[in-house]
Amino acid sequence: KNEVEQSPQNLTAQEGEFITINCSYSVGISALHWLQQHPGGGIVSLFMLSSGKKKHGRLIATINIQEKHSSLHITASHPRDSAVYICAVLNSGGYQKVTFGTGTKLQVIP
Amino acid sequence: EPEVTQTPSHQVTQMGQEVILRCVPISNHLYFYWYRQILGQKVEFLVSFYNNEISEKSEIFDDQFSVERPDGSNFTLKIRSTKLEDSAMYFCASSDPARVGEKLFFGSGTQLSVL
Repeated sequence: KNEVEQSPQNLTAQEGEFITINCSYSVGISALHWLQQHPGGGIVSLFMLSSGKKKHGRLIATINIQEKHSSLHITASHPRDSAVYICAVLNSGGYQKVTFGTGTKLQVIP
Repeated sequence: EPEVTQTPSHQVTQMGQEVILRCVPISNHLYFYWYRQILGQKVEFLVSFYNNEISEKSEIFDDQFSVERPDGSNFTLKIRSTKLEDSAMYFCASSDPARVGEKLFFGSGTQLSVL
């Protein structure tokens, strides 16, 4: 079983829809990253969370440490949001090992 | 905005050859990382580096791999005696966790093809 599980694996949405991507993890963590990987392969860090909620523009990320679960929400989705969204956890213990989820491929259709 | 730069963007090598992938992290960052992504698979952690030494490494990072910060700006990944299965996109990243909420900053990657 993967230490970091994401759902769904693939998601197709109509432009304007509210989107939720989920991430569950089974290890102790000190922080969780949400990353965006563009079709060309480049990776951009969206958020780093250790508790609560963060918002940036149309993106909202939440984390529930007790339930070992995080969600990434996209409001008013747009075709340019089409990408692979990756959840990655920073393992606890004071070190810097990051474990990645398999990613959620999002396609937003105009 | 400051960025992590990686060179080359593409590297083709023959099996058994040594390659060096180069990265220039963001100048005031303290932690440096290498990750790889085999085509169609998830990103995998290779190694983290802090204070001029490896702080964490994965099972993938065996004796074939080494990292170095030869000067104040470059961070390199050396792969000795490359194998076909080393073909992947290699990403460098840096961060400064001393800043609250600091994110990882990724380079654009080096696509390594081992023939």
